Amino acid sequence: GAVVSQHPSWVICKSGTSVKIECRSLDFQATTMFWYRQFPKQSLMLMATSNEGSKATYEQGVEKDKFLINHASLTLSTLTVTSAHPEDSSFYICSATMDRGPAQYFGPGTRLLVL
Amino acid sequence: QQQVKQSPQSLIVQKGGISIINCAYENTAFDYFPWYQQFPGKGPALLIAIRPDVSEKKEGRFTISFNKSAKQFSLHIMDSQPGDSATYFCAVTTQGGSEKLVFGKGTKLTVNP
Repeated sequence: GAVVSQHPSWVICKSGTSVKIECRSLDFQATTMFWYRQFPKQSLMLMATSNEGSKATYEQGVEKDKFLINHASLTLSTLTVTSAHPEDSSFYICSATMDRGPAQYFGPGTRLLVL
Repeated sequence: QQQVKQSPQSLIVQKGGISIINCAYENTAFDYFPWYQQFPGKGPALLIAIRPDVSEKKEGRFTISFNKSAKQFSLHIMDSQPGDSATYFCAVTTQGGSEKLVFGKGTKLTVNP
C-alpha cells in the first residue's frame, strides 16, 4: 500500500521549453502532496505543499511563476517547470500523505535535464 | 538554523556489523520522527518511524532509539548487509501541523561484503 508514481521518470528538454511532471497516489487518496527538489549528494529541499482544490503553498525562495503546481484531484498533482533553463536541471520528487499524515510516501522521482 | 543535525555524513560497515546513525533536533514541538532510505536515482522510502511516547521501536533489523530529554534519536541497522548500502535521512515533523518534514543532511552507508 501507499504507492506513489511519477511520470516521466526522466526528461531532457531544450532551454526555454516547459516541462510537466505528474505525481499520482495509486492506492490511496492523498490529503496533501509535496514537491521536493534534490541536488546530487544533498538532502531534499521542499518546494511547495499542495492540497486538492487549493492553491499551493510555496517555500521561501521558490518562484511561483516558474514552478506551477496544480492539485486537480485527491490522486493527482502536477508540477510544471515553465521556461526551463539549465539551472533548473535537478531531481524532482513528490510525496503524499493520507488521512492527514504525518507519514509521507515518496514517488520514484523525475530527473530533469535542460540543455 | 539547522533544525535537524544528522551524523555521521558517511559510514562504512562490514557485513554483519551494526550501523548506527544519529540525529539531534532542537524544537520540542516535533513529535514524529521517521527515517528514510534512498538508493541512487530513486525516491526516498519510509523505513521506520517513532513517536515520542516510546523510547524504542523495532522492525526487523531496523531499530529506532529515541531519547526525548536529550532530543536525540538514532537508527540502528543490525546484521548490516551490502543491500543496505544507501543514503539514510532522518526527519522530524509535528503531527497535525503543516505536515512538512524537516530532513537531516543524510548519511551515506556503505556495507562491505
